[in-house]
Parts: sequence; structure tokens; C-alpha cells
Amino acid sequence: DARVTQTPRHKVTEMGQEVTMRCQPILGHNTVFWYRQTMMQGLELLAYFRNRAPLDDSGMPKDRFSAEMPDATLATLKIQPSEPRDSAVYFCASGPNPRSNQPQHFGDGTRLSIL
Amino acid sequence: GQNIDQPTEMTATEGAIVQINCTYQTSGFNGLFWYQQHAGEAPTFLSYNVLDGLEEKGRFSSFLSRSKGYSYLLLKELQMKDSASYLCAVRGRMNYGGSQGNLIFGKGTKLSVKP
Repeated sequence: DARVTQTPRHKVTEMGQEVTMRCQPILGHNTVFWYRQTMMQGLELLAYFRNRAPLDDSGMPKDRFSAEMPDATLATLKIQPSEPRDSAVYFCASGPNPRSNQPQHFGDGTRLSIL
Repeated sequence: GQNIDQPTEMTATEGAIVQINCTYQTSGFNGLFWYQQHAGEAPTFLSYNVLDGLEEKGRFSSFLSRSKGYSYLLLKELQMKDSASYLCAVRGRMNYGGSQGNLIFGKGTKLSVKP
């Protein structure tokens, strides 16, 4: 089965450090999403790419977060500098044409802890 | 504003039927998705509704009323493995430019199935 692959699965680091999370979308999917999930806020959309172009990053703190798609097989989410409040599970999801009835598929997530 | 409401928690008995409700207020509507998320895992797709009515898929069914901004997920013959969070997500207006096709998620309903 085709899957969205995220690395690393777990990350523990000290505040102030740079964190880079990577995502390989399902081959053929042209939309990629980054979400953050916490108990308090649930799933929040951070960034959204279509055909590698950023379409919406309004949910992302611009001063410390950045999202890119250097090529069709790789999406990255960076936090620099990281803060304890960034501790959460970060999910990447990919999907086909958003006008279809086909769903987004999620990766297994990166569990991030900032000490 | 945009808002998705679901009950926070529900409890049901193995073998029973449970209905999880979702109400939404969004800027435009282009489909409603239900996802299942087991603790510590990624959300997985369950169902999709874009027209009014009931969609049945095995033990799970999903209903949509667009005029009421309302959906429910019906789980029959509950099994212990159905203990999970159930996320309602709405896809908003499809614009030419700006946000296209991203989902707005509710905070999820945690279902506990008891023996």
C-alpha cells in the first residue's frame, strides 16, 4: 500500500535548537498538508502545498516556522528556534486533486518534545 | 468564522450502536469527511459525504444534511477495537487562488467501548 512517510518519528531536543521534519508524500499526490495536533487545539493546519507551490500557510507562526517542498517527493517543516510550546505531534498528509472525493492520507507523525 | 462541533467523549457497550454527531459552520461547503484515530496513531479515512443522505460502508454509516450543517457517524455492532477518536472534517469553498481543498477538523470525539 502507498503510504505517506514521515521522519523522524520522535524528536526530543532543548529549546532554541533547530528542528527539521521531513515528509515523503504518496507518489502521484499533488497536494501536501502539514498539521499540528495537541490535546487542547486538536488538528490545526499549518501549511498547504499544491503542485509544490505554497497555497496557505496562514496557520503557521511565521517568525519561527518555515515549510518548503524542494521537490515532489519531499516536504520539510522547520522550526528555528524551537520553544517548549511547540511540543506536539506534527502530521504530514497528502492527497490527489482537492476537487475529487478522494481523502487526504496521513503519515504516522513526528512526536516532538521541546525541553 | 468557521467552526466544527463534536462531543468530546462518548461511552458505549460492545455490540451496541452509537451515533457521533457533528455540526459545522464554514465559509462554503465541498464535502465532509470522517476519520478514525487510535491513540498514538495517524488519522485514517472512514467516509465522505458531499450530497445529503446516508452513505453506508459495512458497520459504519455517515449521514449529511447540508441545510442543517449537520452530519453523524453511525457505528453498529460495536467492537472493542472501535475505541478511538473520531474526527469530523469539512472541506470549505473551492476558490481559484488562496485556500483550496484544505480540511477544517473538529477536535474529535473520544469513543470508549466497554465490554
